[in-house]
Amino acid sequence: GAGVSQSPSNKVTEKGKDVELRCDPISGHTALYWYRQSLGQGLEFLIYFQGNSAPDKSGLPSDRFSAERTGGSVSTLTIQRTQQEDSAVYLCASSQLGATGELFFGEGSRLTVL
Amino acid sequence: SQQGEEDPQALSIQEGENATMNCSYKTSINNLQWYRQNSGRGLVHLILIRSNEREKHSGRLRVTLDTSKKSSSLLITASRAADTASYFCALRREGTPLVFGKGTRLSVIA
Repeated sequence: GAGVSQSPSNKVTEKGKDVELRCDPISGHTALYWYRQSLGQGLEFLIYFQGNSAPDKSGLPSDRFSAERTGGSVSTLTIQRTQQEDSAVYLCASSQLGATGELFFGEGSRLTVL
Repeated sequence: SQQGEEDPQALSIQEGENATMNCSYKTSINNLQWYRQNSGRGLVHLILIRSNEREKHSGRLRVTLDTSKKSSSLLITASRAADTASYFCALRREGTPLVFGKGTRLSVIA
């Protein structure tokens, strides 16, 4: 597809379980972002991949959160030992290197931790 | 804080009226962007204004930037019910990820 694709769109899990969220960016986009949005709130930056540079992990809230980007394309955000406060919508976005910096967002993955 | 702060937090207007949302920030920026989010959906880019620009237009949207006051405004003219959404400003600084504010929730009543 032409847009950013995220899966799953909805995920319900039990406290303590691990979850993986996937993001397929727009082809050719070298920058990829993960944000988290709690109900009715703004976007909280999590992690940023830019080309072959080391990712900016400064927004990850704890060491239970990790992300990787394979082959400069698909990214997976992993949350280990999920907690109820991890419940949120996880948004992925991509952009072109050296362009205006406009981000293209996916529809998000809604995570509910019971 | 590195993020912008939108004002007001919520705004309710009648269809046909203009809606104005403001964003204030504290750091120097390369550009400032406005995004829209419909309920339960991803964000959509609306308009970008560079630090050396003062005003930009796109359809019914008008964005201003005052770098001396570190503030920006988004004006939606002749609002429609379909404009109901949350609007976010986002700050771009060199070499840093795009940082979003908490947003303004706009309700346009038909």
